Amino acid sequence: AQKITQTQPGMFVQEKEAVTLDCTYDTSDPSYGLFWYKQPSSGEMIFLIYQGSYDQQNATEGRYSLNFQKARKSANLVISASQLGDSAMYFCAMRDPGAGSYQLTFGKGTKLSVIP
Amino acid sequence: EAGVTQFPSHSVIEKGQTVTLRCDPISGHDNLYWYRRVMGKEIKFLLHFVKESKQDESGMPNNRFLAERTGGTYSTLKVQPAELEDSGVYFCASSPQRGAPEAFFGQGTRLTVV
Repeated sequence: AQKITQTQPGMFVQEKEAVTLDCTYDTSDPSYGLFWYKQPSSGEMIFLIYQGSYDQQNATEGRYSLNFQKARKSANLVISASQLGDSAMYFCAMRDPGAGSYQLTFGKGTKLSVIP
Repeated sequence: EAGVTQFPSHSVIEKGQTVTLRCDPISGHDNLYWYRRVMGKEIKFLLHFVKESKQDESGMPNNRFLAERTGGTYSTLKVQPAELEDSGVYFCASSPQRGAPEAFFGQGTRLTVV
């Protein structure tokens, strides 16, 4: 069963505007972690932000924030003041220790294009 | 501090040949992971080392794939014999045993089997 769903294959955003990338997840374990990674055209996967299931506040890292809605099982990434360098693939991932491992389960990704 | 390094960055081999991918994790990281992304599909977990021990190899597709991590430092992933469906990008990641939860990824090895 698919555990991470990213419904937006591609997104466009005007430079300096904010954009939200959607991610929903599925797990029956109360303890889990949610991650967002960025993959620019150069190929490397860059960690952006982490949210633990027991964290009371939404995670923020600079221009990145995670809109964590536990009851809806969503963990949307919000990028404020988009820059041209934000153009990349973005992957949402979950670590579900209840599965007995520290492996990450990834969504299919969203390709973000920032328009000047 | 050097990040996760993978060699080679690209590899093109013929069906039936053998290929060995290498990953050098961040120094001091006990956890090392291999992932693979086949064209158009999600990034999938292959296996997880803690130091030199295989903690979880539930994602390894079949016995043509062999991963090793001798001495708990670098790791190799060998595909023998390679098949067309093995084409994809192979990522390595590492993380410390304690501390921040995120894994740090390498730039990947793009494997093409022709």
